[in-house]
Amino acid sequence: DIQMTQSPSSLSASVGDRVTITCRASQTINTYLNWYQQKPGKAPQVLIYAASSVQSGVPSRFRGTGSGTEFTLTISSLQPEDSATYYCQQSWSTPRTFGGGTRVQIK
Amino acid sequence: QVQLQESGPGLVRPSQTLSLTCTVSGPSISRPTYYWSWIRQSAGKGLEWIGRIYSDGATNYNPSLKSRLIISRDTSNNQLSLKLSSVTASDTGVYYCARVASHYQEGSGYPVGYLDSWGQGILVTVSS
Repeated sequence: DIQMTQSPSSLSASVGDRVTITCRASQTINTYLNWYQQKPGKAPQVLIYAASSVQSGVPSRFRGTGSGTEFTLTISSLQPEDSATYYCQQSWSTPRTFGGGTRVQIK
Repeated sequence: QVQLQESGPGLVRPSQTLSLTCTVSGPSISRPTYYWSWIRQSAGKGLEWIGRIYSDGATNYNPSLKSRLIISRDTSNNQLSLKLSSVTASDTGVYYCARVASHYQEGSGYPVGYLDSWGQGILVTVSS
């Protein structure tokens, strides 16, 4: 199985800050990488697919980059509603696997 | 617009079979545009991909669950089904069904699949 490692596991930032989350794959996955946002008590929702494509309806402050084994999710200007846990997921091979999550809190 | 709704018992006894249904409102699950997945989430294991079923009924399972797992569909009722046998406490968690969309990238051999719609999830506890 492909292991997905996210860092940091949690962070606290202020409104307006730029936030960066990293996801590393244990082997190359090209750009077969998706990002999800999950709020407490809710199902995850896709933000970014194929490493850098923004899902319809997702604010433009969310950006995904990377290929191969290293990927980044950037929130350009953190908003209060961005308080959530973020997960990466590879769709290169089965079984699909997820990162352990990054909890983003607002200071 | 698609809606997915999981249903089933919230409590299952150890060694019994966990049975869940996902009712899909909107597109037919037989349409080849999408396929469908089950995912679970527990405190100990985070998000875990269980398996998927295609519009033609073909399935892929997580090898860690394959010996106990059956994913099927009922096209007449537009429903997906998950059956997990011989459950233990480690099968406790929130179970989600989700639709998988495909994004075709130039130069890539196959599309990127991503979970674009999820059910609300159902908490299943395995306990005597």
